Amino acid sequence: NAGVTQTPKFRVLKTGQSMTLLCAQDMNHEYMYWYRQDPGMGLRLIHYSVGEGTTAKGEVPDGYNVSRLKKQNFLLGLESAAPSQTSVYFCASSYVLRGSTDTQYFGPGTRLTVL
Amino acid sequence: DAKTTQPNSMESNEEEPVHLPCNHSTISGTDYIHWYRQLPSQGPEYVIHGLTSNVNNRMASLAIAEDRKSSTLILHRATLRDAAVYYCILISNFGNEKLTFGTGTRLTIIP
Repeated sequence: NAGVTQTPKFRVLKTGQSMTLLCAQDMNHEYMYWYRQDPGMGLRLIHYSVGEGTTAKGEVPDGYNVSRLKKQNFLLGLESAAPSQTSVYFCASSYVLRGSTDTQYFGPGTRLTVL
Repeated sequence: DAKTTQPNSMESNEEEPVHLPCNHSTISGTDYIHWYRQLPSQGPEYVIHGLTSNVNNRMASLAIAEDRKSSTLILHRATLRDAAVYYCILISNFGNEKLTFGTGTRLTIIP
């Protein structure tokens, strides 16, 4: 099992450019998440999905869009990148997030710099 | 969501035990106490979880107070590889859609 993978690992964008980050999981998890982590800060939830075809807003959704067309993939899009979106982006997945049995599995992260 | 409170940072000497505290005074009966850690330049990883009884696994032990309003993650013999940010999170056994990660405790191991 590869677990949770993220593509790309690094990216540099100019202000106003667009890009899509891909998250893939091979654990048949229902729930998937996108977080961002700024230097010295904790994780903040951007968007999440509780199943194929569903998405929901997290704590900091502005400037991002997501899609979950296939159960194993969760895409994060930046339509017009801004320097404030410079961050490390983590994807995670889990089953139904039941306290007794479920945990979140995280990908290795994507380091994005917007100039 | 029930909240947790952790110290911002702690230091410990290598090869000594480390006790990382977490307060969760508003915990409900269906909340499990989960611990994650984030090593430098990596995503968080699960460490351990429990409900009422103390728990042990190959990574750590979790000691839960009798009233469940606090818990302690115990690393029995810290190594330099245990230097990380440790997060204490409450996860209900019902109806969760997402987690809230606080700022955690940054653990520094002194050689």
